Amino acid sequence: DAGVIQSPRHEVTEMGQEVTLRCKPISGHNSLFWYRQTMMRGLELLIYFNNNVPIDDSGMPEDRFSAKMPNASFSTLKIQPSEPRDSAVYFCASSSRQGGEQYFGPGTRLTVT
Amino acid sequence: GESVGLHLPTLSVQEGDNSIINCAYSNSASDYFIWYKQESGKGPQFIIDIRSNMDKRQGQRVTVLLNKTVKHLSLQIAATQPGDSAVYFCAENYSGATNKLIFGTGTLLAVQP
Repeated sequence: DAGVIQSPRHEVTEMGQEVTLRCKPISGHNSLFWYRQTMMRGLELLIYFNNNVPIDDSGMPEDRFSAKMPNASFSTLKIQPSEPRDSAVYFCASSSRQGGEQYFGPGTRLTVT
Repeated sequence: GESVGLHLPTLSVQEGDNSIINCAYSNSASDYFIWYKQESGKGPQFIIDIRSNMDKRQGQRVTVLLNKTVKHLSLQIAATQPGDSAVYFCAENYSGATNKLIFGTGTLLAVQP
């Protein structure tokens, strides 16, 4: 079975550019989570969706960040405009049940110069 | 100047020895707990979980112990192997309130051959 799929795996961009990260959750999972991981702050939850609906976006740093889930098999996390402090590894995870185990994708390593 | 990152606790063990990784969780109402393993360059990988109605659960070479009285969780790895070298995270959830997992800061396990 395919796990959580993320693209791109690596992204290098210049400050001010728009960045879009993509995620395909495990088929049949109805919850999707976006995390950011840095050496400074560890693993932080940015936002999560249940049945394609955003439930908690309290972890989204600021208005430059937005996330969408137009259908059960696809989600995007967009940063516009990007800043060097956004450099991190961004993980997507999915889950099949309330409060249950989450399965993580391989992550997207974002570098903003 | 230097940036200050998270200081991960490190556990160094000899190959073949047993490892015990500890975690203190924060919410006395949490009723579900997970251990994740994260290897360098990869996403966190589910290892084992336990619900609050249990105090011990065993998997293949791993055992999780839960002490609700002192809000403590531990992961025991038997006959530690070089492939066990990774950062280990505990995560907690209060299933009655939210779908969110709250992650600890992690422990680095270094297995010496």
